[in-house]
Amino acid sequence: ETGVTQTPRHLVMGMTNKKSLKCEQHLGHNAMYWYKQSAKKPLELMFVYNFKEQTENNSVPSRFSPECPNSSHLFLHLHTLQPEDSALYLCASSQDNVRGGSNQPQHFGDGTRLSIL
Amino acid sequence: EDQVTQSPEALRLQEGESSSLNCSYTVSGLRGLFWYRQDPGKGPEFLFTLYSAGEEKEKERLKATLTKKESFLHITAPKPEDSATYLCAVQGYGQNFVFGPGTRLSVLP
Repeated sequence: ETGVTQTPRHLVMGMTNKKSLKCEQHLGHNAMYWYKQSAKKPLELMFVYNFKEQTENNSVPSRFSPECPNSSHLFLHLHTLQPEDSALYLCASSQDNVRGGSNQPQHFGDGTRLSIL
Repeated sequence: EDQVTQSPEALRLQEGESSSLNCSYTVSGLRGLFWYRQDPGKGPEFLFTLYSAGEEKEKERLKATLTKKESFLHITAPKPEDSATYLCAVQGYGQNFVFGPGTRLSVLP
């Protein structure tokens, strides 16, 4: 596989469930990102990992818990979500030259469409 | 605080009718401005990076330009397959990407 792969593509869960989103990048990048995309709103950055270390938590509620076991894999663990968390969750990766960001483009997966009942 | 606005919100063109999309930004030191295309049900697809005012990039029917305050995505003789949402993002020094809300382009045959 090439590029950035996200699974599952669609997820429906109740507010009391626990689930995880998975992202894998095959580009050799060392930075990975989680974004939330809601209707009529710009992409919202959630988390940033550089060289497997979390460098950004953009005031995300604790019901979202990221995990980055290595530079190719990123997870988003979900628990006790709210209806307003229904959205498209996008993973991206980029090649970072220095910690704190670089000016290289981010490459995105096709996202997980999450629906909270 | 870095900000990005895009106009128009939506644009409907006839096939072959050229036009431009605008991305206006305020950023504390521009490291890069990025254009993406997003199709329904898909993630954003990278198109261009522009790094300094006066820079231009081209790809098929698309041409991106950059000034100190805005960027334009010019679409020449568009085809229906160019229909998508076009996103603009900026990155300031030491900061993460800030995305605009996008322009939804429809090209009618």
